[in-house]
Amino acid sequence: NAGVMQNPRHLVRRRGQEARLRCSPMKGHSHVYWYRQLPEEGLKFMVYLQKENIIDESGMPKERFSAEFPKEGPSILRIQQVVRGDSAAYFCASSPPSAGGVHEQYFGPGTRLTVT
Amino acid sequence: DAKTTQPPSMDCAEGRAANLPCNHSTISGNEYVYWYRQIHSQGPQYIIHGLKNNETNEMASLIITEDRKSSTLILPHATLRDTAVYYCIALNAGNNRKLIWGLGTSLAVNP
Repeated sequence: NAGVMQNPRHLVRRRGQEARLRCSPMKGHSHVYWYRQLPEEGLKFMVYLQKENIIDESGMPKERFSAEFPKEGPSILRIQQVVRGDSAAYFCASSPPSAGGVHEQYFGPGTRLTVT
Repeated sequence: DAKTTQPPSMDCAEGRAANLPCNHSTISGNEYVYWYRQIHSQGPQYIIHGLKNNETNEMASLIITEDRKSSTLILPHATLRDTAVYYCIALNAGNNRKLIWGLGTSLAVNP
């Protein structure tokens, strides 16, 4: 069973361009989470999605950032008009569905975004 | 979700047990204690979780005090590859499962 896949692993964008980060959850997982880690800082929650639904986007910046998890295909984190402050490692995690309780999250290797 | 407090750093000799403490004095009855670690720049890795009973798996053991106000993660025979930042997170067993990360404990396993 393949783990969580993220691509690209490294992404370089100039200021003002768009960045698209992809995340394929583990097989059978229907919950996806995105976290951001700025240089020398801790991880911060961004958004939690289930198939075709955003459950919690309380950690997403109000502008330029969006996320989706369509019925088919990977989850996408999209950053429009990138700025230098967006340079960070972006981690995706997935977990299986559950009737109750919580489940551990499995993380991908991350996408390192550098804005020049 | 309850706040957790961990020492910022610890050292351990290779082959010895590493005992990482975590305080969660405001934890509520339906909050689990989760442990993750992040080896330098890699994606975080789930280690173990528990509610009130002690738990053990192939990676570690989790000891939770009877009052649930603190816990200890035990790596029984630490290796150099266990050098990482370890995070203790209290998580409500509800619909929202977002992980709120503190600063964790930076564990250095020395040869």
